[in-house]
Amino acid sequence: DIQMTQSPSSLSASVGDRVTITCRASQGMSNYLAWYQQKPGKVPKLLIYAASPLQSGVPSRFSGSGSGTDFTLTISSLQPEDVATYYCQKYNSAPSITFGQGTRLEIK
Amino acid sequence: QVQLVESGGGVVQPGRSLRLSCAASGFIFRSYGMHWVRQAPGRGLEWVAVISYDGSNEYYADSVKGRFTISRNNPKNTLYLQMNSLRAEDTAVYYCAKDALGGMGGLFDYWGQGTLVTVSS
Repeated sequence: DIQMTQSPSSLSASVGDRVTITCRASQGMSNYLAWYQQKPGKVPKLLIYAASPLQSGVPSRFSGSGSGTDFTLTISSLQPEDVATYYCQKYNSAPSITFGQGTRLEIK
Repeated sequence: QVQLVESGGGVVQPGRSLRLSCAASGFIFRSYGMHWVRQAPGRGLEWVAVISYDGSNEYYADSVKGRFTISRNNPKNTLYLQMNSLRAEDTAVYYCAKDALGGMGGLFDYWGQGTLVTVSS
């Protein structure tokens, strides 16, 4: 099974910073890669699917890229409401539907 | 609007059983694959199980295979998770989630609020 590893596990950045989170697959995969945002005490929210398209309603400061084994989630200008844990996920592969371990993002 | 409302969680002793339900509304339930995803306290997300739109196919994570059974009642717009032989490591918030693409691929566009299952003696 393909394993998904995110880095860093946590990070602290200032409002307005550009933030990048990486998700690495243990072997090459198709672009069925999603990113979710989970704010403290809340339900996960789909941000990005198929590695780069934004889900409807997601602010344009979020973007996704990558292919093969390396994928990234970028926030172009960090906002206070972006404090959350972010998860990458490999999908389209039941029963091998796999999440990364999460990246906790805080404001410095 | 899409709503998913889980129920049935609680405190249960190891080895016992529990049945979770997820009441769906706001979309054509019978047309979509449905999933259960769980999150242990302070931990990440773990996919648990999926059932096809018509209930004819199911898949499970290795960690629950043989112990958990996913099912659905389309006329009642309800998803279920029967959990048997529960273990301490099954303690988690259990979310039902709608498959965005209609199949069983596991892209989740809507999630319920979750129901907490605590396995403890």
